[in-house]
Amino acid sequence: GEDVEQSLFLSVREGDSSVINCTYTDSSSTYLYWYKQEPGAGLQLLTYIFSNMDMKQDQRLTVLLNKKDKHLSLRIADTQTGDSAIYFCAEWGDTGRRALTFGSGTRLQVQP
Amino acid sequence: DAGVIQSPRHEVTEMGQEVTLRCKPISGHDYLFWYRQTMMRGLELLIYFNNNVPIDDSGMPEDRFSAKMPNASFSTLKIQPSEPRDSAVYFCASSLDRTGVDEQYFGPGTRLTVT
Repeated sequence: GEDVEQSLFLSVREGDSSVINCTYTDSSSTYLYWYKQEPGAGLQLLTYIFSNMDMKQDQRLTVLLNKKDKHLSLRIADTQTGDSAIYFCAEWGDTGRRALTFGSGTRLQVQP
Repeated sequence: DAGVIQSPRHEVTEMGQEVTLRCKPISGHDYLFWYRQTMMRGLELLIYFNNNVPIDDSGMPEDRFSAKMPNASFSTLKIQPSEPRDSAVYFCASSLDRTGVDEQYFGPGTRLTVT
């Protein structure tokens, strides 16, 4: 079955870049997503990438996809204290089952 | 739009009691998802509906859990009887059926504590 793995914790200083990594196992993944969860809130879609793309940039966010290694990363430039949250990687495979498989989430802590 | 609305935001109940969680999806969305989030198991999909019809309930833990969607604007997740291991945050999410990106919009969650 599908499996998505992430490291649990990342700490960076304000102004530095953050890189959150994710690996997945489903080779039929069509879309890969990054969601953000702030304390006491639900998940919010940050960005996504289609599986035939290598990179996507959206303001301070850069998503890199290495399909051969099944590795996805999210880079946040100029990280701010407001970026402190849990970041979830998720994938949607072309299996007909309309369900996302989420990773365990990476808690990003930004030190002022 | 107000987004996905869930109620209650917090629920504390005693073991053995019935618990009902409620969700109002975003108007016009035709998919509705129920998730459970715990420290130990992360975010798990419990069940999802398409046009009010349950499509996949393979994530429902056991018969004590049931979900309904009587109309396009309302869904419930019921636990009867509740147990302490059901303590978690339960999220409802909705999305629009379209080819391509499946952006799910999450509600704020219901934090359930069973004592």
